[in-house]
Amino acid sequence: DAGVIQSPRHEVTEMGQEVTLRCKPISGHDYLFWYRQTMMRGLELLIYFNNNVPIDDSGMPEDRFSAKMPNASFSTLKIQPSEPRDSAVYFCASRGQGANQPQHFGDGTRLSIL
Amino acid sequence: AQSVTQPDIHITVSEGASLELRCNYSYGATPYLFWYVQSPGQGLQLLLKYFSGDTLVQGIKGFEAEFKRSQSSFNLRKPSVHWSDAAEYFCAVGASGTYKYIFGTGTRLKVLA
Repeated sequence: DAGVIQSPRHEVTEMGQEVTLRCKPISGHDYLFWYRQTMMRGLELLIYFNNNVPIDDSGMPEDRFSAKMPNASFSTLKIQPSEPRDSAVYFCASRGQGANQPQHFGDGTRLSIL
Repeated sequence: AQSVTQPDIHITVSEGASLELRCNYSYGATPYLFWYVQSPGQGLQLLLKYFSGDTLVQGIKGFEAEFKRSQSSFNLRKPSVHWSDAAEYFCAVGASGTYKYIFGTGTRLKVLA
């Protein structure tokens, strides 16, 4: 079975530009999570969705960040405008229904803002 | 508040030696506990999970972990480490009623040939 698929794997752009990260969860999974990983702050949950509806976005750092899930098989995380401090690895994860279901992670997008 | 502590930031072991990575959690009820491994440039891969029942759980790649409620611990073990086990290991706790995980800060494992 295909796992969680993220694109692009790497993104380098200049500050002020809009950045869009994409995620395709595992088919049949009801929950989707966006994380950010940095050396300083570790792994941080940004937002998660259930059945395409945002449930908790308390981890979204600023209004520059937005996330959408237009359907069960696709989600985006957008940063506009981007800043150098947004440089990090962004992970998407998904899980099935049921409290005992583990999260499955994609390989991440390494984002560098110059 | 829920929290997860991985006291060891770095651990170095020789290939073939045994390994134990520590994880302590803080949560009022019975938690769901997980260990993930992250190789360089990769996402997090689930090694094993504990929800209930037998407190010694077996995972992939020869890893096991033991849940000790009295010590609020969920330590990861492997009897004989292979060079390919060099990676970063994360402990996480999730709780019934929430779908969020709290991750520890990770332990980076180095394996000497």
